[in-house]
Amino acid sequence: DAGVIQSPRHEVTEMGQEVTLRCKPISGHNSLFWYRQTMMRGLELLIYFNNNVPIDDSGMPEDRFSAKMPNASFSTLKIQPSEPRDSAVYFCASTDGGQPQHFGDGTRLSIL
Amino acid sequence: AQSVSQHNHHVILSEAASLELGCNYSYGGTVNLFWYVQYPGQHLQLLLKYFSGDPLVKGIKGFEAEFIKSKFSFNLRKPSVQWSATAEYFCAVSESGGGADGLTFGKGTHLIIQP
Repeated sequence: DAGVIQSPRHEVTEMGQEVTLRCKPISGHNSLFWYRQTMMRGLELLIYFNNNVPIDDSGMPEDRFSAKMPNASFSTLKIQPSEPRDSAVYFCASTDGGQPQHFGDGTRLSIL
Repeated sequence: AQSVSQHNHHVILSEAASLELGCNYSYGGTVNLFWYVQYPGQHLQLLLKYFSGDPLVKGIKGFEAEFIKSKFSFNLRKPSVQWSATAEYFCAVSESGGGADGLTFGKGTHLIIQP
């Protein structure tokens, strides 16, 4: 079975540019989560969706961050404009509600 | 709000040594508890989980953990570790049943097994 698929795996861009991270959850899973991992703060929940609806976005650091889930098989996390302090590994995870979350391989983002 | 504390940020052991990684959480309600492992450059993989029932749970790769409600603890154990266990280990908690809520993670424990 295909797991959670994230793209790109690596992204390097200059500050001020728009960054879009993508996630395809496991088929049949109805909950999707975005996490950020940094050395200083560890793993933090940014936002999660149940049935494509955002449930809790209290972890989104500021208005520069936005996330969408237009359908059950696709979600995006967008940063506009990007800043060097946004550099991190961003993980997407999904679950069908009754089981633990399955994580994607992550996107390693570097903002120069 | 929940919080998860992992007491040891770095642990160095020799092969065949016994392992115990500490995890405490702060939340007074019903929790689900997890241990994930992250090998270098890879995604998080579930080692084991506790939802309810027997507080001693067994996971993959010979790991186990014990939920002690009175101590708000969920320590990870393995009787004998191999070099391949070198990785980052994360304890996590969620409030509701089944993991449909977001996870709160500890800062992680970097485990190094020396041959």
